[in-house]
Amino acid sequence: NAGVMQNPRHLVRRRGQEARLRCSPMKGHSHVYWYRQLPEEGLKFMVYLQKENIIDESGMPKERFSAEFPKEGPSILRIQQVVRGDSAAYFCASSPPAGGEYNTEAFFGQGTRLTVV
Amino acid sequence: AQSVTQPDIHITVSEGASLELRCNYSYGATPYLFWYVQSPGQGLQLLLKYFSGDTLVQGIKGFEAEFKRSQSSFNLRKPSVHWSDAAEYFCAVKAGGGNKLTFGTGTQLKVEL
Repeated sequence: NAGVMQNPRHLVRRRGQEARLRCSPMKGHSHVYWYRQLPEEGLKFMVYLQKENIIDESGMPKERFSAEFPKEGPSILRIQQVVRGDSAAYFCASSPPAGGEYNTEAFFGQGTRLTVV
Repeated sequence: AQSVTQPDIHITVSEGASLELRCNYSYGATPYLFWYVQSPGQGLQLLLKYFSGDTLVQGIKGFEAEFKRSQSSFNLRKPSVHWSDAAEYFCAVKAGGGNKLTFGTGTQLKVEL
């Protein structure tokens, strides 16, 4: 059972370009979470998705950022018109459907390191 | 709102010495608590978790953590540190729907040989 797969591992974009980060959850997991880690900081929650639904996007910047998790295929975090401040590590995590009090933990991918030049 | 505080940004210990990394949380209900480890350039690996029951939790790689409700703490411990334990350690609390987590800012552990 492969873990959470993120690609690319490293991505370089010029200012103004678009960045697309992909996340394939673990088999059987229908919940995906995106986090951003700025240099010297902890992980900050961005968005929580289930298949075809955004459940919680309270951590998403209001502009230029969007996320989707289609019925088929990976979850995509899209950043339009990137700026230098978007340079960070973006991590995806997945978990099975939550049920009752005894939820399982989320499993993390290796991350995508985005560098904006 | 939930929050997690890791007061120590950097810690240096000698190999073979004991280790304690501090974590304090703020959460209104019974917390679900986690410790993750991140090696340079890598993702996060779960060390251990606390959902309920015994307040002393055993994890992988010889780590353990103790949940103390009265102190709102969930400190990570290891009796004897190995050089390979050098990494960054994050404490986290389950913060809402599903498995959304709020993380502390991390503690960077350096191990001296």
